[in-house]
Amino acid sequence: GAGVSQSPSNKVTEKGKDVELRCDPISGHTALYWYRQRLGQGLEFLIYFQGNSAPDKSGLPSDRFSAERTGESVSTLTIQRTQQEDSAVYLCASSLKGRSGGFGYGYTFGSGTRLTVV
Amino acid sequence: EDQVTQSPEALRLQEGESSSLNCSYTVSGLRGLFWYRQDPGKGPEFLFTLYSAGEEKEKERLKATLTKKESFLHITAPKPEDSATYLCAVQPDSWGKLQFGAGTQVVVTP
Repeated sequence: GAGVSQSPSNKVTEKGKDVELRCDPISGHTALYWYRQRLGQGLEFLIYFQGNSAPDKSGLPSDRFSAERTGESVSTLTIQRTQQEDSAVYLCASSLKGRSGGFGYGYTFGSGTRLTVV
Repeated sequence: EDQVTQSPEALRLQEGESSSLNCSYTVSGLRGLFWYRQDPGKGPEFLFTLYSAGEEKEKERLKATLTKKESFLHITAPKPEDSATYLCAVQPDSWGKLQFGAGTQVVVTP
């Protein structure tokens, strides 16, 4: 597709259940990112994938959070044993890495998955 | 620690009333400073990348400028459709991840 696609768009889950969030990046984009946005707050970095390199997991808040990416395509963010503080919008973005190694093209974001833990 | 601070938190403008948003940053090394626009219920939309002090970029009624410590987003003669949250982000030396500010919510009334 033309943009970054995320599913589901909304997810309500009970505390303690596991959830999987999916991201389909733009075809050909080598870099993929997950961010979290709590209500009224800025974007919080979670994890970054670049090609076949080891992912940068430095933003994952706890070991309940994990993410995988298949080659340079789909990524799944998994949250185990969800807690109420996990309620947020989870945003996925993809980008091209420029020749200089920078990301001057900017990220293209999906519309996010709104997760509500009750 | 890398930090991005945006001000004001919220801004209410009359249509045609120009104003500026501020993004101040402290970062170990700057590879790029980014501006995004975010509408309610949507992901951020890329506007500009600035790389070095003195650089300026324009798009319609928006103009972004960069100094060594801060960036400004100038909105000239805004229209109601410019209402959105504007996010600033920096890319530090470490490749990839962007550090975002909390944003400035702009409301433009007719």
